[in-house]
Parts: sequence; structure tokens; C-alpha cells
Amino acid sequence: DTEVTQTPKHLVMGMTNKKSLKCEQHMGHRAMYWYKQKAKKPPELMFVYSYEKLSINESVPSRFSPECPNSSLLNLHLHALQPEDSALYLCASSQVLGAPFDEQYFGPGTRLTVT
Amino acid sequence: DQQVKQNSPSLSVQEGRISILNCDYTNSMFDYFLWYKKYPAEGPTFLISISSIKDKNEDGRFTVFLNKSAKHLSLHIVPSQPGDSAVYFCAASALSNTGKLIFGQGTTLQVKP
Repeated sequence: DTEVTQTPKHLVMGMTNKKSLKCEQHMGHRAMYWYKQKAKKPPELMFVYSYEKLSINESVPSRFSPECPNSSLLNLHLHALQPEDSALYLCASSQVLGAPFDEQYFGPGTRLTVT
Repeated sequence: DQQVKQNSPSLSVQEGRISILNCDYTNSMFDYFLWYKKYPAEGPTFLISISSIKDKNEDGRFTVFLNKSAKHLSLHIVPSQPGDSAVYFCAASALSNTGKLIFGQGTTLQVKP
């Protein structure tokens, strides 16, 4: 099973709302990632968790707040977003961060629209 | 500075023929290369990978070739099928950089019946 699930599939939120994106994997992977992808662009790394600890923050604005409650779950809390934050948000996981020749497996993404 | 480049935004081939997607990189520290396929409104799906100690890796209809001296890799799909129509991303990582993936801009492949 190489499945990464994400909920919700679509989300529309106003600039004053607070919402959360959820990601789950049951492959026993210990590294989990959040990416942002704009139309016709490659995925851009936002955060990386390794063994449930934040390992990489790619200078993401504080209106995005990640959380890793356990080894299978990854959340992204959203607050006071801007319309330019509208994008496809992708979660990924891999066996161990930095392991040689380790593939990342992606979820289907959450299509976020900020109005 | 774009470290991974896919210079062809799109490619169109006939069903049954070979599709060749190209990727160039600039960082000599990259030691692992991956190809992902992405359908609209879905996440990227891992296709095939190659480490820098090899020059070829094959998996069914998909073969990836690596030319380290030219800093170039290519994905060959033979025979191409209409279901292969998607966006293909090349990605690279360096063990020295905690395996962070750097993606190319993607190539849209259209396979015509």
C-alpha cells in the first residue's frame, strides 16, 4: 500500500477563516512533507517533518502552521490567508528523511481557494 | 537559479511510438533522480528513479537514462499509450541536502490514438 490520503479534496475559505488540511499515511514512513503547487508550476516544498519533529521550514509565512500529532498524521493549519495562497496543497511521505534513494509518495492534494 | 530544467513544456507523440522526455540539471551534488507523473487535480505519482551510480534503469515500458558528464537524464516510454498523457516532472535530490527534492517545471505529454 503506497497510499497517502488527504482531506478535504476541495476547500474554499475567506481571509478571516481558520481551517485545517489533513494528511494520513500508513506505510510506516517517518518523514512527511507539505508542498504547495500553483498552476503549471512544479511543487514547492513548505515543511518537512522527521520522526514527528519539524525538520525543515522553507521560510513559510506564519499564517501556515504545520503539526504532526503522530507518525501517521500531518496537519496544516491555515489562518488569515491571502488570495495568492490559493493553490493545490500536496502532502507526501518517505521512509526516512535523507535516506539514500528514498522516494516520496504524494497524496492527491487539497485544492484551496481563498476568497 | 533553476537547478533542474525541463526545457520542453510539451510533447506530442502517436500511440505506439516512443516518447522521450528530457531533463537537465546544474548541481553536481545531485545523486538521485526521479520521474513523477501527474494527472490534473491529482498528486504526482512516482514512476521510476535512478541513482548516480547507474546510467540506466528500466521498469516495464519506462526506462530512465542518466548521463552524468552532460548532467542530463531522459525518460523513454515505449510503446506510448493514450493513458500516458499527463504532466511529467523530473526531480533530483542530494544526500548532502537531507534528500530535499528539487523539481523541474514539467513536460506535458500528449499521446494521440
